[in-house]
Amino acid sequence: DIQMTQSPASLSASVGDRVTITCRASQSIFNYLNWYQQKPGKAPKLLIYAASNLQSGVPSRFSGSGSGTDFTLTISSLQPEDFATYYCQQSYSAPLFAFGPGTKVDIK
Amino acid sequence: QVQLQESGPGLVKPSQTLSLTCIVSGDSISSGGYYWSWIRQHPGKGLEWIGYISYSGSTYYNPSLKSRVSISVDTSKNQFSLKLNSVTAADTAVYYCASLYSSSRVRYFDYWGQGTLVTVSS
Repeated sequence: DIQMTQSPASLSASVGDRVTITCRASQSIFNYLNWYQQKPGKAPKLLIYAASNLQSGVPSRFSGSGSGTDFTLTISSLQPEDFATYYCQQSYSAPLFAFGPGTKVDIK
Repeated sequence: QVQLQESGPGLVKPSQTLSLTCIVSGDSISSGGYYWSWIRQHPGKGLEWIGYISYSGSTYYNPSLKSRVSISVDTSKNQFSLKLNSVTAADTAVYYCASLYSSSRVRYFDYWGQGTLVTVSS
């Protein structure tokens, strides 16, 4: 099975900060990596698919990069509505899917 | 805009069967490229993919749950369902239905239901 890790597990940041979250796969998943945002009590929301493609309607301050085993999600200027938990998810091993453990972004 | 809505009991007794239904609106469940999935989230924890079904009825389940899970589809009602049998307290979670878009180059969960909390308790 492909294992997904994320770092950090949590971070504190201020509005306007540049935030980077890392996701690592235990083997190459090429670009089969998606990112989701989840706010408390809400369903996850797709932000980025195939490592670097911005989902329709998602603000351009979100960006994704990477391939193989190492991926990053970057928020260029953190906004108040961005405080949430972020999950990566690999789809290389489809039809088996797995999510990373999540990174919680809260207010400093 | 596709919308998904879960429904079902919020409380299930241990050893019984958890049954949930997801109604899809805004598009046909028979739309090409889509698979219909269940994902759960234990309280305060991460996301666990349970399984999916195609409109034609092909299924695939998470091996960790395969012996207890069944997903079915009713295209006439534009809905799909989850059954998880022999539940224990460890199955207490928020259950989400979601659409999985799949092509040769991309696969992602793009639309999600709001989620429903199922508690296993006597």
